[in-house]
Amino acid sequence: GAVVSQHPSRVICKSGTSVKIECRSLDFQATTMFWYRQFPKQSLMLMATSNEGSKATYEQGVEKDKFLINHASLTLSTLTVTSAHPEDSSFYICSASRGGGATNEKLFFGSGTQLSVL
Amino acid sequence: AQKVTQAQTEISVVEKEDVTLDCVYETRDTTYYLFWYKQPPSGELVFLIRRNSFDEQNEISGRYSWNFQKSTSSFNFTITASQVVDSAVYFCALKTSYDKVIFGPGTSLSVIP
Repeated sequence: GAVVSQHPSRVICKSGTSVKIECRSLDFQATTMFWYRQFPKQSLMLMATSNEGSKATYEQGVEKDKFLINHASLTLSTLTVTSAHPEDSSFYICSASRGGGATNEKLFFGSGTQLSVL
Repeated sequence: AQKVTQAQTEISVVEKEDVTLDCVYETRDTTYYLFWYKQPPSGELVFLIRRNSFDEQNEISGRYSWNFQKSTSSFNFTITASQVVDSAVYFCALKTSYDKVIFGPGTSLSVIP
């Protein structure tokens, strides 16, 4: 079964509203989670690295105030798209790291969230 | 800088043909990990393989095989006797010591019955 749960799988919202996406590691503690964004027929682009108990590290060009990340516990990271606009419509996917460096066998990915902003 | 290149944007093959998906990576790290993921139309990423930089042994798993060549910085993926269910987008990815995973642009594979 899935080891990383991501909800919701699909969300449609009006322009100007905020949307929260949750990413949970189900059977392990994830000190680090990653948030990706994928436009249609394009690759996954890393948005930010979420670290439990500290501020997220954002990639260049990603607006911190637009995409709020909270990693309040070792099993939950949330991405909030604030004041969403149609250009924010995209597929958002999270991944969780079981541990650092060589101890990882593989990264676990959530099933993704399709956000559509009207 | 880290980079992953998948030169083939789209590939179409007829069922039962063999197909190889190319992946070339760039990194200055001596320790790194390479991955292949499959993304079917549903969007979920399906893990296929992980290979670390110290293990150049090629691997075969059923109809799938991978050829890791450090000398050419390549990690190619071959599907033997392709099937319609293999139709998907395939991503090659690189993970460095900083724990970031960088994805290539992907190759869209269409297997025609």
